[in-house]
Amino acid sequence: QQPVQSPQAVILREGEDAVINCSSSKALYSVHWYRQKHGEAPVFLMILLKGGEQKGHEKISASFNEKKQQSSLYLTASQLSYSGTYFCGTENTGFQKLVFGTGTRLLVSP
Amino acid sequence: KAGVTQTPRYLIKTRGQQVTLSCSPISGHRSVSWYQQTPGQGLQFLFEYFSETQRNKGNFPGRFSGRQFSNSRSEMNVSTLELGDSALYLCASSRAGAQDTQYFGPGTRLTVL
Repeated sequence: QQPVQSPQAVILREGEDAVINCSSSKALYSVHWYRQKHGEAPVFLMILLKGGEQKGHEKISASFNEKKQQSSLYLTASQLSYSGTYFCGTENTGFQKLVFGTGTRLLVSP
Repeated sequence: KAGVTQTPRYLIKTRGQQVTLSCSPISGHRSVSWYQQTPGQGLQFLFEYFSETQRNKGNFPGRFSGRQFSNSRSEMNVSTLELGDSALYLCASSRAGAQDTQYFGPGTRLTVL
């Protein structure tokens, strides 16, 4: 049930855009996105719920395709502070537990 | 308001020993989930407790157990430690569970020698 994230790692220059994908083999009820900086706890970015409701960060957007069981996180005009590992967490319909992917490491350089 | 706290922050144990980790959730949060984080494996779900009941469980052996108290504080126990148990153990609290924002604690770094 662990979701699959891609890419595993990405390097950007400041100001560039990035997309991180998350896919599940089972029907999704919700998708969560978190960012973890080295040595710190994961921090909430966004929740996307089945039906279209979104809750989260103002400067980061995401999509949730229920039919394809996928979500994508869009980071635009990246800043140095965006560096870290991004995790998607998926709650499959009927399971009520949040399972995280292995993460995408993002490095933004000046 | 105060965040999620975990104690201890660091632990060194030897194989065969047992260990108990503690997590105090944000006030008002009734759900506590535990995750094991190792390089390359991401966050592996251990279990979730809600109102003192284990509501969900991941694919870990029975050596990993937990409980939750009436004040929502949770403990995780690992018995007969193995070298592969070395990891960062994170707990996360939320109001109602998987559909809510998870607030993570700083983690307990466990090293098994």
